[in-house]
Amino acid sequence: GQQVQQSPASLVLQEGENAELQCNFSTSLNSMQWFYQRPGGSLVSLFYNPSGTKHSGRLTSTTVIKERRSSLHISSSQTTDSGTYLCALGIASSSFSKLVFGQGTSLSVVP
Amino acid sequence: EAAVTQSPRNKVAVTGGKVTLSCNQTNNHNNMYWYRQDTGHGLRLIHYSYGAGSTEKGDIPDGYKASRPSQENFSLILELATPSQTSVYFCASGEGDNTEVFFGKGTRLTVV
Repeated sequence: GQQVQQSPASLVLQEGENAELQCNFSTSLNSMQWFYQRPGGSLVSLFYNPSGTKHSGRLTSTTVIKERRSSLHISSSQTTDSGTYLCALGIASSSFSKLVFGQGTSLSVVP
Repeated sequence: EAAVTQSPRNKVAVTGGKVTLSCNQTNNHNNMYWYRQDTGHGLRLIHYSYGAGSTEKGDIPDGYKASRPSQENFSLILELATPSQTSVYFCASGEGDNTEVFFGKGTRLTVV
């Protein structure tokens, strides 16, 4: 099964509303990273957050290792927040290291 | 912020042809990665490297080779391109295991 599950798959907000995006994972976590991607665009790192809570402007990321989940909170959404948000679980062992991505949450913020 | 540069940004190749995608990073990161992104599959790891001279297979290595001739450069090679390899390819780098990973802007490859 999928190691990383994101919810919701898509979301439409009125400008100014808040959003909570979820990322649940089924395996042990070594690291957690949140990315933002515009259609046809590159992946912009929002947070590297393997545990605890981090803030950046209107964004907050919280990772709770024992509950195997991470969330991304967007406050006072703006139309420029529209795009896809991806969480990625970092897995590393003695023989490999990689990011396993969720399928993403597609966010649309309308005026 | 880490700088990862990919070239070319867009490429059209013919079936059976050889394609080389290049990636350069200027932050002296040890780890480098090649992913592809497809609708319905998300991002999947093709090859990665722990340093100059090393390449390792990722989750979907078939049909691809990789080369890490130096700390800064990591190439993805399609010896015999097929239409199923039409995709967007992303290169990434990170200082080491369990560290933040930084992505390039991507290369859109179309194999006709």
